[in-house]
Amino acid sequence: NAGVTQTPKFQVLKTGQSMTLQCAQDMNHNSMYWYRQDPGMGLRLIYYSASEGTTDKGEVPNGYNVSRLNKREFSLRLESAAPSQTSVYFCASSRLAGGTDTQYFGPGTRLTVL
Amino acid sequence: GENVEQHPSTLSVQEGDSAVIKCTYSDSASNYFPWYKQELGKRPQLIIDIRSNVGEKKDQRIAVTLNKTAKHFSLHITETQPEDSAVYFCAASSGYSSASKIIFGSGTRLSIRP
Repeated sequence: NAGVTQTPKFQVLKTGQSMTLQCAQDMNHNSMYWYRQDPGMGLRLIYYSASEGTTDKGEVPNGYNVSRLNKREFSLRLESAAPSQTSVYFCASSRLAGGTDTQYFGPGTRLTVL
Repeated sequence: GENVEQHPSTLSVQEGDSAVIKCTYSDSASNYFPWYKQELGKRPQLIIDIRSNVGEKKDQRIAVTLNKTAKHFSLHITETQPEDSAVYFCAASSGYSSASKIIFGSGTRLSIRP
């Protein structure tokens, strides 16, 4: 059981470039989440998917898009990267929707936008 | 929407002493309150959680208390050890529908002095 995996681990982009962060879980969880973590600001929810085929906005969705490819995979896309998107990105999954049970986090992706 | 405030932002305690971290929430419909621990460079992991029908929950050296009337909950760590040094996040979720979201506090950096 790998749990939640994310690729890549590190990425450097120039302003205006695009990229997709990949996330996969092998726990047969229904819900998946994307967070960003900035110093002093905790974990902020970008987008989430309560179940396969559904996605919804979190607290800070601007500048991002997501795709729930299947039950296992949930990707996050930055169409035109900006320096304000420099952050550590965590994917997470949980068995239940609504954030009411344990969330299992991936190892994170450290993104720098120059 | 829900707002979660966490205090203090940093905390330093002598090894063997107790540590207390406090959080307040704004949404009276919140009914699930997890605590996550994040060691340096690692992913957040759940350490304990409490639901609104319970006032206190213990797991060895850690405990969480909930005061629904005052809308605050606290993490208590007794007999602190060096491995307790980490950032701790509280969170709150109403969870009454699949569209419910979990909101995290901004984190407390706990340092244990030898």
